Amino acid sequence: DTGVSQDPRHKITKRGQNVTFRCDPISEHNRLYWYRQTLGQGPEFLTYFQNEAQLEKSRLLSDRFSAERPKGSFSTLEIQRTEQGDSAMYLCASSLGDTSYNEQFFGPGTRLTVL
Amino acid sequence: AQSVTQLDSQVPVFEEAPVELRCNYSSSVSVYLFWYVQYPNQGLQLLLKYLSGSTLVKGINGFEAEFNKSQTSFHLRKPSVHISDTAEYFCAGISGGYNKLIFGAGTRLAVHP
Repeated sequence: DTGVSQDPRHKITKRGQNVTFRCDPISEHNRLYWYRQTLGQGPEFLTYFQNEAQLEKSRLLSDRFSAERPKGSFSTLEIQRTEQGDSAMYLCASSLGDTSYNEQFFGPGTRLTVL
Repeated sequence: AQSVTQLDSQVPVFEEAPVELRCNYSSSVSVYLFWYVQYPNQGLQLLLKYLSGSTLVKGINGFEAEFNKSQTSFHLRKPSVHISDTAEYFCAGISGGYNKLIFGAGTRLAVHP
């Protein structure tokens, strides 16, 4: 399967712990997005990478959140000192293109539960 | 404000009945519009998109949507639903640069036998 993959699919952690999620986009897709989806809501944009450059971050991305895409391929999203409000589904999407619209393909998501 | 509004949080319908899921967008959202479907514990799958051209857009699984600029709407329709259409449906538009998506809150479609 050559779709977007995310790991882990589920993560349960205690408040105050650090967690890291990984996203592997479709091969050769230069654009990568992270979204967060809380219960009963639609996904909300968190951050965007074009190749290895992080070009936009939402105000939702507090200082406890950091994302990287070191070689322009896979990406990681780290949350430090997790809080109960961080409990959500974290979705990754990738697309190919530079200026015009190109379809974003979504991964299955990582569901985070902070106890 | 840039927003996409889905007017119904839940829509119950009987199998083989027609269904319409409503979506309105604010004028500050670009007129690139999308409908996604999310099955339980899965990611989002694109149903259809409107980028330009014909205002009636056909997608997968028998769904279609009509872009209405004067009413700033992009309602999703299916003439006859199946049990397997039970899922969460999200309307979305492009907001700002880098083609990031802004989503509505979602509509849960529940198809009953």
